[in-house]
Amino acid sequence: TQLLEQSPQFLSIQEGENLTVYCNSSSVFSSLQWYRQEPGEGPVLLVTVVTGGEVKKLKRLTFQFGDARKDSSLHITAAQPGDTGLYLCAGLPSGTYKYIFGTGTRLKVLA
Amino acid sequence: EAGVTQFPSHSVIEKGQTVTLRCDPISGHDNLYWYRRVMGKEIKFLLHFVKESKQDESGMPNNRFLAERTGGTYSTLKVQPAELEDSGVYFCASSQIKGSVIYFGPGTRLLVL
Repeated sequence: TQLLEQSPQFLSIQEGENLTVYCNSSSVFSSLQWYRQEPGEGPVLLVTVVTGGEVKKLKRLTFQFGDARKDSSLHITAAQPGDTGLYLCAGLPSGTYKYIFGTGTRLKVLA
Repeated sequence: EAGVTQFPSHSVIEKGQTVTLRCDPISGHDNLYWYRRVMGKEIKFLLHFVKESKQDESGMPNNRFLAERTGGTYSTLKVQPAELEDSGVYFCASSQIKGSVIYFGPGTRLLVL
Protein backbone atom coordinates (compact mmCIF):
# COMPACT_ATOMS: atom_id res chain seq x y z
CA THR A 1 0.00 0.00 0.00
CA GLN A 2 1.38 3.38 -0.97
CA LEU A 3 1.43 5.86 1.87
CA LEU A 4 1.96 9.57 2.09
CA GLU A 5 2.90 10.58 5.61
CA GLN A 6 2.17 14.13 6.52
CA SER A 7 3.52 15.90 9.60
CA PRO A 8 2.75 17.44 11.92
CA GLN A 9 -0.90 16.48 12.23
CA PHE A 10 -1.75 19.53 14.31
CA LEU A 11 -0.03 22.86 14.66
CA SER A 12 -1.03 25.85 16.71
CA ILE A 13 1.18 28.91 16.42
CA GLN A 14 1.12 32.64 17.04
CA GLU A 15 0.62 35.16 14.29
CA GLY A 16 3.94 36.10 12.71
CA GLU A 17 5.66 32.78 13.31
CA ASN A 18 7.04 30.57 10.56
CA LEU A 19 6.13 26.94 10.05
CA THR A 20 6.91 23.98 7.82
CA VAL A 21 4.67 21.04 6.93
CA TYR A 22 6.21 17.87 5.56
CA CYS A 23 4.90 15.22 3.22
CA ASN A 24 6.97 12.03 2.88
CA SER A 25 6.68 8.77 1.02
CA SER A 26 8.72 5.86 -0.21
CA SER A 27 6.95 6.13 -3.58
CA VAL A 28 7.99 8.28 -6.50
CA PHE A 29 5.39 10.73 -7.70
CA SER A 30 5.00 12.18 -11.17
CA SER A 31 3.43 15.22 -9.54
CA LEU A 32 2.40 16.40 -6.11
CA GLN A 33 -0.28 18.85 -5.16
CA TRP A 34 -0.95 20.88 -2.05
CA TYR A 35 -4.48 21.76 -1.06
CA ARG A 36 -6.11 23.81 1.65
CA GLN A 37 -9.50 22.84 2.97
CA GLU A 38 -11.86 25.05 4.96
CA PRO A 39 -14.67 23.60 7.10
CA GLY A 40 -17.65 22.56 4.97
CA GLU A 41 -15.78 22.91 1.73
CA GLY A 42 -13.75 20.71 -0.57
CA PRO A 43 -9.97 20.88 -0.94
CA VAL A 44 -8.81 23.91 -2.92
CA LEU A 45 -5.68 23.54 -4.97
CA LEU A 46 -2.75 25.72 -3.91
CA VAL A 47 0.05 24.46 -6.12
CA THR A 48 1.27 21.57 -8.26
CA VAL A 49 4.93 20.57 -8.39
CA VAL A 50 6.21 18.19 -11.04
CA THR A 51 10.00 18.48 -11.27
CA GLY A 52 12.42 17.08 -8.69
CA GLY A 53 13.94 19.95 -6.70
CA GLU A 54 11.29 22.38 -7.88
CA VAL A 55 10.48 25.33 -5.64
CA LYS A 56 7.31 27.37 -6.06
CA LYS A 57 6.26 30.46 -4.17
CA LEU A 58 2.76 31.71 -3.57
CA LYS A 59 3.01 34.94 -1.57
CA ARG A 60 4.13 33.81 1.90
CA LEU A 61 3.91 30.10 1.01
CA THR A 62 6.93 28.24 -0.37
CA PHE A 63 6.53 24.73 -1.77
CA GLN A 64 9.40 22.39 -2.48
CA PHE A 65 9.45 19.03 -4.26
CA GLY A 66 12.23 16.67 -3.21
CA ASP A 67 14.98 15.85 -5.69
CA ALA A 68 13.84 12.23 -5.85
CA ARG A 69 10.17 13.28 -6.11
CA LYS A 70 9.27 11.29 -3.00
CA ASP A 71 8.70 14.14 -0.59
CA SER A 72 7.57 17.72 -0.40
CA SER A 73 7.37 20.57 2.06
CA LEU A 74 5.22 23.63 2.56
CA HIS A 75 6.76 26.56 4.39
CA ILE A 76 4.67 29.50 5.56
CA THR A 77 6.45 32.71 6.51
CA ALA A 78 4.91 35.11 9.02
CA ALA A 79 1.70 33.13 9.42
CA GLN A 80 -1.58 35.04 9.57
CA PRO A 81 -4.88 34.00 11.17
CA GLY A 82 -6.25 33.72 7.63
CA ASP A 83 -3.84 30.83 7.03
CA THR A 84 -5.81 28.70 9.48
CA GLY A 85 -7.14 25.55 7.86
CA LEU A 86 -6.45 21.96 6.89
CA TYR A 87 -3.48 21.53 4.55
CA LEU A 88 -3.36 18.39 2.43
CA CYS A 89 -0.71 16.99 0.16
CA ALA A 90 -1.66 14.60 -2.62
CA GLY A 91 0.76 12.69 -4.79
CA LEU A 92 0.21 11.08 -8.16
CA PRO A 93 2.31 7.88 -8.21
CA SER A 94 4.19 7.35 -11.45
CA GLY A 95 2.17 5.31 -13.90
CA THR A 96 -1.21 5.80 -12.22
CA TYR A 97 -4.05 8.31 -12.28
CA LYS A 98 -5.12 7.91 -8.66
CA TYR A 99 -4.02 10.56 -6.22
CA ILE A 100 -2.82 9.44 -2.80
CA PHE A 101 -3.57 11.86 -0.01
CA GLY A 102 -1.76 12.59 3.19
CA THR A 103 -3.79 12.69 6.41
CA GLY A 104 -3.52 16.44 6.57
CA THR A 105 -2.09 19.10 8.85
CA ARG A 106 -4.59 21.12 10.81
CA LEU A 107 -3.10 24.58 11.29
CA LYS A 108 -4.39 27.20 13.67
CA VAL A 109 -2.82 30.64 13.70
CA LEU A 110 -3.66 32.68 16.78
CA ALA A 111 -3.94 36.44 16.61
CA GLU B 1 -16.80 29.11 -14.84
CA ALA B 2 -18.77 27.04 -12.37
CA GLY B 3 -16.85 24.59 -10.25
CA VAL B 4 -17.68 21.04 -9.33
CA THR B 5 -21.00 20.88 -7.52
CA GLN B 6 -22.36 18.15 -5.30
CA PHE B 7 -25.78 17.40 -3.89
CA PRO B 8 -26.80 17.05 -1.17
CA SER B 9 -24.33 18.83 1.06
CA HIS B 10 -25.39 16.71 4.02
CA SER B 11 -27.33 13.48 4.42
CA VAL B 12 -28.36 11.69 7.59
CA ILE B 13 -29.89 8.27 7.10
CA GLU B 14 -30.49 5.12 9.08
CA LYS B 15 -28.58 1.92 8.62
CA GLY B 16 -30.18 -0.13 5.86
CA GLN B 17 -31.52 2.83 3.93
CA THR B 18 -30.42 3.93 0.49
CA VAL B 19 -28.71 7.20 -0.36
CA THR B 20 -27.80 8.65 -3.73
CA LEU B 21 -25.17 11.34 -4.08
CA ARG B 22 -24.88 13.49 -7.17
CA CYS B 23 -21.91 15.23 -8.73
CA ASP B 24 -21.84 17.75 -11.57
CA PRO B 25 -18.28 18.16 -12.86
CA ILE B 26 -16.83 21.26 -14.43
CA SER B 27 -18.25 21.63 -17.91
CA GLY B 28 -16.04 19.98 -20.50
CA HIS B 29 -14.19 17.79 -18.01
CA ASP B 30 -14.32 14.22 -19.26
CA ASN B 31 -12.61 12.82 -16.17
CA LEU B 32 -14.67 12.48 -13.04
CA TYR B 33 -13.47 11.00 -9.76
CA TRP B 34 -15.09 9.99 -6.51
CA TYR B 35 -13.07 10.14 -3.30
CA ARG B 36 -14.07 9.51 0.30
CA ARG B 37 -12.78 10.64 3.67
CA VAL B 38 -13.79 8.50 6.62
CA MET B 39 -13.41 10.04 10.08
CA GLY B 40 -9.78 10.25 11.12
CA LYS B 41 -8.45 8.81 7.89
CA GLU B 42 -7.00 10.26 4.73
CA ILE B 43 -8.99 10.98 1.60
CA LYS B 44 -9.11 7.82 -0.50
CA PHE B 45 -9.84 7.16 -4.13
CA LEU B 46 -13.06 5.34 -4.98
CA LEU B 47 -13.34 5.39 -8.75
CA HIS B 48 -12.63 7.21 -11.99
CA PHE B 49 -14.84 7.82 -15.03
CA VAL B 50 -13.73 8.94 -18.44
CA LYS B 51 -16.90 10.24 -20.00
CA GLU B 52 -19.47 7.52 -19.27
CA SER B 53 -16.95 4.69 -18.90
CA LYS B 54 -15.56 3.43 -15.61
CA GLN B 55 -11.79 3.47 -15.98
CA ASP B 56 -10.89 2.37 -12.51
CA GLU B 57 -13.18 1.32 -9.68
CA SER B 58 -10.53 -0.37 -7.58
CA GLY B 59 -11.26 1.85 -4.61
CA MET B 60 -14.94 0.97 -4.28
CA PRO B 61 -15.37 -0.64 -0.84
CA ASN B 62 -17.89 -3.33 -1.80
CA ASN B 63 -20.90 -4.07 -3.97
CA ARG B 64 -23.18 -1.88 -1.88
CA PHE B 65 -21.70 1.05 -3.77
CA LEU B 66 -22.81 1.76 -7.33
CA ALA B 67 -21.57 4.67 -9.41
CA GLU B 68 -23.00 5.74 -12.73
CA ARG B 69 -22.34 8.47 -15.24
CA THR B 70 -24.96 8.07 -17.91
CA GLY B 71 -24.37 10.38 -20.87
CA GLY B 72 -20.95 11.32 -19.58
CA THR B 73 -22.13 14.41 -17.72
CA TYR B 74 -23.18 14.22 -14.09
CA SER B 75 -22.50 11.20 -11.93
CA THR B 76 -24.35 9.51 -9.11
CA LEU B 77 -23.03 7.35 -6.31
CA LYS B 78 -25.59 5.13 -4.65
CA VAL B 79 -25.07 3.32 -1.38
CA GLN B 80 -27.56 0.51 -0.81
CA PRO B 81 -28.01 -0.59 1.90
CA ALA B 82 -26.00 1.91 3.92
CA GLU B 83 -23.94 0.71 6.87
CA LEU B 84 -22.52 2.66 9.83
CA GLU B 85 -18.98 2.50 8.42
CA ASP B 86 -20.11 4.31 5.27
CA SER B 87 -20.28 7.56 7.20
CA GLY B 88 -17.83 10.15 5.97
CA VAL B 89 -17.36 12.90 3.44
CA TYR B 90 -17.73 11.95 -0.21
CA PHE B 91 -15.87 14.20 -2.61
CA CYS B 92 -16.27 14.41 -6.33
CA ALA B 93 -13.53 15.86 -8.51
CA SER B 94 -13.01 16.43 -12.19
CA SER B 95 -10.19 17.10 -14.60
CA GLN B 96 -9.86 17.93 -18.25
CA ILE B 97 -7.06 15.49 -18.93
CA LYS B 98 -6.39 12.18 -17.19
CA GLY B 99 -3.61 12.70 -14.66
CA SER B 100 -3.77 16.48 -14.75
CA VAL B 101 -4.87 18.83 -12.00
CA ILE B 102 -8.14 17.76 -10.40
CA TYR B 103 -10.69 20.15 -8.95
CA PHE B 104 -12.78 19.11 -5.99
CA GLY B 105 -16.39 19.74 -5.15
CA PRO B 106 -17.47 20.77 -1.65
CA GLY B 107 -18.32 17.19 -0.67
CA THR B 108 -21.38 15.43 0.70
CA ARG B 109 -21.28 14.70 4.40
CA LEU B 110 -22.98 11.38 4.99
CA LEU B 111 -23.94 10.18 8.43
CA VAL B 112 -25.39 6.70 8.83
CA LEU B 113 -27.08 6.12 12.18
